[in-house]
Amino acid sequence: DVKVTQSSRYLVKRTGEKVFLECVQDMDHENMFWYRQDPGLGLRLIYFSYDVKMKEKGDIPEGYSVSREKKERFSLILESASTNQTSMYLCASRRGGRSTDTQYFGPGTRLTVL
Amino acid sequence: DAKTTQPPSMDCAEGRAANLPCNHSTISGNEYVYWYRQIHSQGPQYIIHGLKNNETNEMASLIITEDRKSSTLILPHATLRDTAVYYCIVRAGGFQGAQKLVFGQGTRLTINP
Repeated sequence: DVKVTQSSRYLVKRTGEKVFLECVQDMDHENMFWYRQDPGLGLRLIYFSYDVKMKEKGDIPEGYSVSREKKERFSLILESASTNQTSMYLCASRRGGRSTDTQYFGPGTRLTVL
Repeated sequence: DAKTTQPPSMDCAEGRAANLPCNHSTISGNEYVYWYRQIHSQGPQYIIHGLKNNETNEMASLIITEDRKSSTLILPHATLRDTAVYYCIVRAGGFQGAQKLVFGQGTRLTINP
């Protein structure tokens, strides 16, 4: 079974802090994604990566950056956290090739910025 | 990707089959039907997908109508742990297909004891 893990289930940070969210997958997937999920807004793509050191902006990249130094790990960075970044953050991975392949999600990190 | 329509909520008794409908009348020939679910405060979980034939796996069955304009997800013996929001998604196939997943409002399924 594919396993996607995220570093924290719950995180509380203060405005202005730098925040790192880590995601690791164990199935050698090429593609990895960071989404945020908010009530009434559904799932929104922040960034995705289709290979090591490669990244593409999603729909809402402002205020975020990412890092993919190793195939299995994809990090989301909030350079200076703000209260409007309070959200559920979801990491997903998918093997490369045909885009119909399934995305597998981690358990999510619920981030609160005070 | 084609738009889908699902009922906002459904109830089902524990042990019975839960049948969740989805309409996707604008689906095109290379689009697959996917089902995911999300249990409260957890990440979404893949359930099943199909193109035109009916599919079955250890979690569920997917019935797609012959004209492909609608489908039904069947959980054959629902348990309390199946209480979740279920999302029906239609996604284009092929290498150039969309990368991201977009969930609609889904169906909130409640399994009652």
